[in-house]
Amino acid sequence: GDSVTQTEGQVTVSESKSLIINCTYSATSIAYPNLFWYVRYPGEGLQLLLKVITAGQKGSSRGFEATYNKETTSFHLQKASVQESDSAVYYCALRRNNNNRIFFGDGTQLVVKP
Amino acid sequence: EAAVTQSPRSKVAVTGGKVTLSCHQTNNHDYMYWYRQDTGHGLRLIHYSYVADSTEKGDIPDGYKASRPSQENFSLILELASLSQTAVYFCASSEKGVGNTLYFGEGSRLIVV
Repeated sequence: GDSVTQTEGQVTVSESKSLIINCTYSATSIAYPNLFWYVRYPGEGLQLLLKVITAGQKGSSRGFEATYNKETTSFHLQKASVQESDSAVYYCALRRNNNNRIFFGDGTQLVVKP
Repeated sequence: EAAVTQSPRSKVAVTGGKVTLSCHQTNNHDYMYWYRQDTGHGLRLIHYSYVADSTEKGDIPDGYKASRPSQENFSLILELASLSQTAVYFCASSEKGVGNTLYFGEGSRLIVV
């Protein structure tokens, strides 16, 4: 079936350092799903960070980037220089584009140390 | 501003009792969803709805019913609550179409004792 895998439960990075949060997907029901990153900041609800609906394209928002790589079935989230305010839980998600069912990874807690 | 609101935000229920979680959206979206999240895990889809008066089963529908009486309202019903249904429940809405964003409520924390 369709699934999303985030291998790290928590990532700790010092402020101003670079970040990568890994996400791989399996989409057995459809070749090219839509891919998303959602984020939950402390005390806030889950919200969209960025999305890419076309394989090979890159999405970006708030300094974060993710490239939809269909060869490696990956959608890793990257940022060149993190800030303390980026501390949050990040969820990778997959949506079949033939219906509205969305599958979430288990989330990665990002802790940015000052 | 568009919003998804859930009630109650927190509830303690007795095993075997009935629980109703309510969701109201002002986004004018056609699609609504109920997800469940267990500690340390991602969200899993319980039920969803494309249109009022119609609901669909998600990935983990057993033990749950859903009701969509209007475009704005979507309820999740636990007829006989069990300990294993202790979790945080999230409602979301979205427009139809490719790549559309989910807009989430704040979540409802349910503890079954």
